Amino acid sequence: GGIITQTPKFLIGQEGQKLTLKCQQNFNHDTMYWYRQDSGKGLRLIYYSITENDLQKGDLSEGYDASREKKSSFSLTVTSAQKNEMAVFLCASSPGGAREQYFGPGTRLTVL
Amino acid sequence: QQKVQQSPESLIVPEGAMTSLNCTFSDSASQYFAWYRQHSGKAPKALMSIFSNGEKEEGRFTIHLNKASLHFSLHIRDSQPSDSALYLCAAANSGTYQRFGTGTKLQVVP
Repeated sequence: GGIITQTPKFLIGQEGQKLTLKCQQNFNHDTMYWYRQDSGKGLRLIYYSITENDLQKGDLSEGYDASREKKSSFSLTVTSAQKNEMAVFLCASSPGGAREQYFGPGTRLTVL
Repeated sequence: QQKVQQSPESLIVPEGAMTSLNCTFSDSASQYFAWYRQHSGKAPKALMSIFSNGEKEEGRFTIHLNKASLHFSLHIRDSQPSDSALYLCAAANSGTYQRFGTGTKLQVVP
């Protein structure tokens, strides 16, 4: 089996600050994803990447940047943190689009 | 653009009951259909998936797909308090990413 690690677990920032979230996976999966989950709600796709150095925008990409530095890691940057984007950010990986996704434990973002 | 919708939004059932959760999708070319379960404060975890029309059973869980009506469902037999969670459905084309529904919050009461 494998594991997905997200750091940090809790992230507190000031409004307007640039913040970076990191994700690592050891499944050797090609595809990685970043989702935002508002309290008790569904998952909204921010960015995904089908291979190293590839980036694809999801439905919620505005206000975010992403970087797939290597196959095992995928970073998400909140370019200017806003109070209305306080949420849990989930990273996931899968062997492909139409295959089971494996999720990390999440990073909870608080904006002061 | 694929739209995936779930119903009901929330559900309370007694222990031992049959629970039925519904999901509709808009893209008739979708090929992969899945249910994920997310316990409070935890990561979502895949429960079951299906590719072709019909039913698939795994233990107390059954997934049913009807592509013609753009609908799939999850049925939980003999529901347990440990089944209380947020249930997320997802649908995908072969070459694209999965699109998730907004979730059904299930509470099973003893």
